Amino acid sequence: AQSVTQLDSHVSVSEGTPVLLRCNYSSSYSPSLFWYVQHPNKGLQLLLKYTSAATLVKGINGFEAEFKKSETSFHLTKPSAHMSDAAEYFCVVSSYNFNKFYFGSGTKLNVKP
Amino acid sequence: EAGVTQFPSHSVIEKGQTVTLRCDPISGHDNLYWYRRVMGKEIKFLLHFVKESKQDESGMPNNRFLAERTGGTYSTLKVQPAELEDSGVYFCASSAGRTNGYTFGSGTRLTVV
Repeated sequence: AQSVTQLDSHVSVSEGTPVLLRCNYSSSYSPSLFWYVQHPNKGLQLLLKYTSAATLVKGINGFEAEFKKSETSFHLTKPSAHMSDAAEYFCVVSSYNFNKFYFGSGTKLNVKP
Repeated sequence: EAGVTQFPSHSVIEKGQTVTLRCDPISGHDNLYWYRRVMGKEIKFLLHFVKESKQDESGMPNNRFLAERTGGTYSTLKVQPAELEDSGVYFCASSAGRTNGYTFGSGTRLTVV
């Protein structure tokens, strides 16, 4: 069975400081993993995806994530937060045939001026 | 290209009434998915269409929910009769190939009072 745990429901950082959003997963096969972001009143936007190629994945807007199989983690990072990064972030693992996504419970990122 | 369009964006109905949500996928996307997020919970899979055929409806909560996809184009999700626990945000997504990740719509926020 597949599952995703996002370890923090809320994260607050100051503008210009690093962002770390933590995600652990459980999967019975080699997973494909994604991070999505939802800004207020917007749809879910794909930030980045890992599909068994390079373990360090670069996404849009300066975000990146590292797949660590030994730790079953896929944490999302950004070196310097911007006010526009304030949103809710979802870690997602796909089913083996990509027919279904399993979402984490979401992490709300607050960026302080 | 136009994104995934959902309407209405918000709907408030009374318990026992019927509501129909609509999703227009990206043109040419054979795969269409419905997901739902109820208050305080994870986003969860409802069902998956390939063209007009239901591939997987294992996430549909009960027989008050009926999804259709006319001619493999737009899809509707009808809730009849609506119950209080149906309140939440209903997301639609589409994809051309399964491994590409989905494109999500902005969601329909359904409130049953």
